[in-house]
Amino acid sequence: DIEMTQSPSSLSASVGDRVTITCQASQAISSNVNWYQQKPGKPPKVLIYDASNLGTGVPSRFSGSGSGTDFTFSISSLQPEDIATYYCQQFKNLPLTFGGGTKVEIK
Amino acid sequence: QVQLVQSGAEVKKPGASVKISCQASGYTFTDYYMYWVRQAPGQGLQWMGLIHPSGGSTTYAQKFQGRVIMTRDTSTTTVYMELSSLRSEDTAMYYCARGIDALDIWGQGTVVTVSS
Repeated sequence: DIEMTQSPSSLSASVGDRVTITCQASQAISSNVNWYQQKPGKPPKVLIYDASNLGTGVPSRFSGSGSGTDFTFSISSLQPEDIATYYCQQFKNLPLTFGGGTKVEIK
Repeated sequence: QVQLVQSGAEVKKPGASVKISCQASGYTFTDYYMYWVRQAPGQGLQWMGLIHPSGGSTTYAQKFQGRVIMTRDTSTTTVYMELSSLRSEDTAMYYCARGIDALDIWGQGTVVTVSS
């Protein structure tokens, strides 16, 4: 199975700050990574698909990059509504695997 | 609109089985895989398996092999996930999600509580 190592597990930032989350795959997976946002009590929502493509209706402050084994997810200017847990997920091989999640809080 | 509607919360005793439904609407049911993902309280996301509604083929995570069965009914555009031999560690929120590569539409989730 492909392991997705996500960091940090949590972070606290101020409104307007740039936030960056990383995900490292245990083997090369091309650009086969998606990023999800999950708010409490809600199902996840895909924000970025195939490493760098913005999901439908997703604000442009969200972005993703990377290929191979190293991937980055960013929020260019953190907003109060971005408080959530974020997950990376690889779809190169089954089983689909997720990173452990990053809980983003407002400082 | 495109949506997945799951069945309601379940409370089961250890050793029992649970069967959750997920009804799709607003798109061509057979065009997308349906995935099942679970989330234990306060934990991350765990892929359980998938079913292709077109032919009914399935792939299960090894962790659940022998305990999970995913089926579909094309006449009602509904997929089902049955998990047997339940134990306390199966207490979780269970989600169905549509997708090909990205899981772009999710059901609202079904809470399963396993308790004696």
